[in-house]
Amino acid sequence: GNSVTQMEGPVTLSEEAFLTINCTYTATGYPSLFWYVQYPGEGLQLLLKATKADDKGSNKGFEATYRKETTSFHLEKGSVQVSDSAVYFCALIQGAQKLVFGQGTRLTINP
Amino acid sequence: DTEVTQTPKHLVMGMTNKKSLKCEQHMGHRAMYWYKQKAKKPPELMFVYSYEKLSINESVPSRFSPECPNSSLLNLHLHALQPEDSALYLCASSQDQTGTYGYTFGSGTRLTVV
Repeated sequence: GNSVTQMEGPVTLSEEAFLTINCTYTATGYPSLFWYVQYPGEGLQLLLKATKADDKGSNKGFEATYRKETTSFHLEKGSVQVSDSAVYFCALIQGAQKLVFGQGTRLTINP
Repeated sequence: DTEVTQTPKHLVMGMTNKKSLKCEQHMGHRAMYWYKQKAKKPPELMFVYSYEKLSINESVPSRFSPECPNSSLLNLHLHALQPEDSALYLCASSQDQTGTYGYTFGSGTRLTVV
């Protein structure tokens, strides 16, 4: 079945550091890929998405590129802020099947 | 309106109580979902409604009973819950069940069973 593997956290960075959170997936065919963010005490927010190979999703300074050849969708941001502290979930969906989440990566940004 | 609204935000209930969680969206989405999320874990799917019909039940105990009165509303009726059912309950919606463009999640109901 389909699956998503994220880098284990927690990840702690200083403000203005470069961020990468790795995500790889296993799926037959061409799933849609997503990054969701969950701030403390809140629900999930869709951060960005990509629906086909080589698509780049971007939002709020975050980017991720759908790489079919490496089955990856790594999340990057050039300069993180304290307000980016949250849990980040990589996810995929294919057809009318359910949304499959990675285990989540907790990110803490120190001032 | 681009939101999914869940009420209440917090709920404390006894094991003999009956309560309901409510979810509402006005984006014209035709698929709606209930998820359960325990601390430090990803959300787990409970139920899927597609065009107001239950299409997926992930073997959820019968003490959880979903209802979709119309295309904008989704309820989750709770009865005789156990302490281990304490969790964050999230509602979500998508344009259709393919979910190709992503789900919109509500902010959740934090449920504590005492």
